[in-house]
Amino acid sequence: SQQGEEDPQALSIQEGENATMNCSYKTSINNLQWYRQNSGRGLVHLILIRSNEREKHSGRLRVTLDTSKKSSSLLITASRAADTASYFCATGYRLTFGTGTRLQVTL
Amino acid sequence: KAGVTQTPRYLIKTRGQQVTLSCSPISGHRSVSWYQQTPGQGLQFLFEYFSETQRNKGNFPGRFSGRQFSNSRSEMNVSTLELGDSALYLCASSTGTSGTTQETQYFGPGTRLLVL
Repeated sequence: SQQGEEDPQALSIQEGENATMNCSYKTSINNLQWYRQNSGRGLVHLILIRSNEREKHSGRLRVTLDTSKKSSSLLITASRAADTASYFCATGYRLTFGTGTRLQVTL
Repeated sequence: KAGVTQTPRYLIKTRGQQVTLSCSPISGHRSVSWYQQTPGQGLQFLFEYFSETQRNKGNFPGRFSGRQFSNSRSEMNVSTLELGDSALYLCASSTGTSGTTQETQYFGPGTRLLVL
């Protein structure tokens, strides 16, 4: 079963714009991870944020975590066509994934 | 370091057959986990192997099994295939040394299985 939901399910933006996607989860966590998946291929690890962290940056990625609301957000700044992919949050040692957000970045 | 490799990449089987998928983890990684991805159920954890022992198991029927060899390579087997087993099967490796603490898992490209 899914741990939670990503919102929105699909997002279409133009190159250069920022993309924000949200993730909600159900149980207490030690940390939360975000992954990217290109067109039905393997998942690429993007970032891990621990439960005692509120915000983390990695390049053009910014992740926030609100444990009181059991939610996280992923912001991709200055998006590029190569960012087109599905994005998943995952929690737990046995990774439990959300439903994913499909991001389409157009030129 | 070479990444996680999975073979074969694509597979077509018929109902009732069995299939074996292979995963080679990143060198030095001792934990291998398997996941099934379908449009309906999304990404679901199958099982994890560490040092040749199954350490965690998801909620899948006994038709799904796996094993790990001394070199950490892992195989998963699905017997008596059903149409619903059509999916992308992903394996992921990690050092596994942190026990049950979450650590980064590195995924392979997946094996796409089609059951006819």
